[in-house]
Amino acid sequence: DTAVSQTPKYLVTQMGNDKSIKCEQNLGHDTMYWYKQDSKKFLKIMFSYNNKELIINETVPNRFSPKSPDKAHLNLHINSLELGDSAVYFCASSRGWGRNYGYTFGSGTRLTVV
Amino acid sequence: AQKITQTQPGMFVQEKEAVTLDCTYDTSDPSYGLFWYKQPSSGEMIFLIYQGSYDQQNATEGRYSLNFQKARKSANLVISASQLGDSAMYFCAMRGALSSGGSNYKLTFGKGTLLTVNP
Repeated sequence: DTAVSQTPKYLVTQMGNDKSIKCEQNLGHDTMYWYKQDSKKFLKIMFSYNNKELIINETVPNRFSPKSPDKAHLNLHINSLELGDSAVYFCASSRGWGRNYGYTFGSGTRLTVV
Repeated sequence: AQKITQTQPGMFVQEKEAVTLDCTYDTSDPSYGLFWYKQPSSGEMIFLIYQGSYDQQNATEGRYSLNFQKARKSANLVISASQLGDSAMYFCAMRGALSSGGSNYKLTFGKGTLLTVNP
C-alpha cells in the first residue's frame, strides 16, 4: 500500500483552466502539507493542515485553495492556471507537529501549463 | 527566520569512496530538527537521516551519517562506500518553529546538491 498517494502523476492543461490534485495518506498522520518544486528543484512549502485545521499558508496566490475533508486527505485546487504554475507539486504528511517529525512524501504531480 | 544553505550545486565521487555533502543552517530557535532527503531522477523524495538539536551523538543510518557541529551550525551528510544508485539530488532540511518560541513548525529545504557517482 502506498503511504502517501497523489493523483494524477502528470497533468497537462491550458492556461486559464481550473484543476485539482488529490492527496491521501494511510499512515494515520495528523499533519499534511503541500510543497511546490520549481524548475531549479527548489522546494517551498505552500500549505499545511493539522487535523483539518489550516496551520501554514505561505505567500501563495489566492488561485490556490487547499481543502482537507478529513485528516487523511488534503487536496489542492488551482483556479485560472498560469504558465508560472508549471512545477512539481508534492504532498507530504507527518505524524506530529513537532520539530522531530520527518515528512513522508508522495511521488509528486508534474503540472505543465501550456 | 530559518535558512538552509547548501553551497555545492554538484559533486562527483568515485564508486566505493566516501563523500561529504555540506549543509549549514541558521535559526534563532534553540529547538530544531535537521533532515536529509534524497531525490533520484525518478522524482520521489526519500528520507535518509534525522538529527535533533539536543542530540549528543551524530546520527547514523547504514551508510549515511550526519556530522553535526552545533556551534558551527553545520549538518553535513557523509555517505560511505558510494554506490552508483546513490547518484541523485540531496536536500538538507530543517524543521524549526514558525515564530520564536512558537509550537508550530515547518520544514525548510536547502537548494540541494546533485551527486554523481562514477564507476
